[in-house]
Amino acid sequence: QVQLQESGPGLVKPSGTLSLTCGVSGGSISSGKWWSWVRQPPGQGLEWIGEIDHSGSPNYNPSLKSRVTISVDKAGNHFSLQVTSVTAADTAVYYCARDAGSGYSLEYWGQGTLVTVSS
Amino acid sequence: EIVLTQSPGTLSLSPGERATLSCRASQSVSSTFIAWYQQKPGQAPSLLIYAASSRATGIPDRFSGSGSGTDFTLTISRLEPEDFAVYYCQQYGSSPPMYIFGQGTKLEI
Repeated sequence: QVQLQESGPGLVKPSGTLSLTCGVSGGSISSGKWWSWVRQPPGQGLEWIGEIDHSGSPNYNPSLKSRVTISVDKAGNHFSLQVTSVTAADTAVYYCARDAGSGYSLEYWGQGTLVTVSS
Repeated sequence: EIVLTQSPGTLSLSPGERATLSCRASQSVSSTFIAWYQQKPGQAPSLLIYAASSRATGIPDRFSGSGSGTDFTLTISRLEPEDFAVYYCQQYGSSPPMYIFGQGTKLEI
């Protein structure tokens, strides 16, 4: 059973860089799947940030593309998210997720981590 | 970019009743790319339905999905107390490749 766990600072200063890592257990990040980041501002809906495959090829949400980088570390079996120039609007619970074996949906999710942007 | 509109925003029902949740796409999409999720307070979303009508592993058969083109439906045949949650529909687009979520329907007692 694949398990995902987000880690990283819970507080980031405005104009700074948000950095999170998603550790993968119970499976290999080189399994041929796609690995995503999704965020949810407090009391709001879900927003997909982007995804990456095991070879390091990413796809990004066009609305965030200029500020987002997703990378994969096959040796460490984890993938990471960076969001630059953050503002209060980036305050959210950040989830990592993996696509389903059948594709086109997100089957495995981490528990999520709250990141607050504040001075 | 495709927009998914879910209705109603809030649905108030009682245990044992039937729930019908709607998801409308701004343009026709393949049912292969439609999924539904359930999210309970303080928890991550969980996959219920993929490819519009296929139940994910371990999902009870009271949950069913249907639809095609621009109109998709999640039906819960007989509500159990644990079904009261927020439900999101999702579409995976190819140009550009990305996941798009509806705004959610809150199912409340």
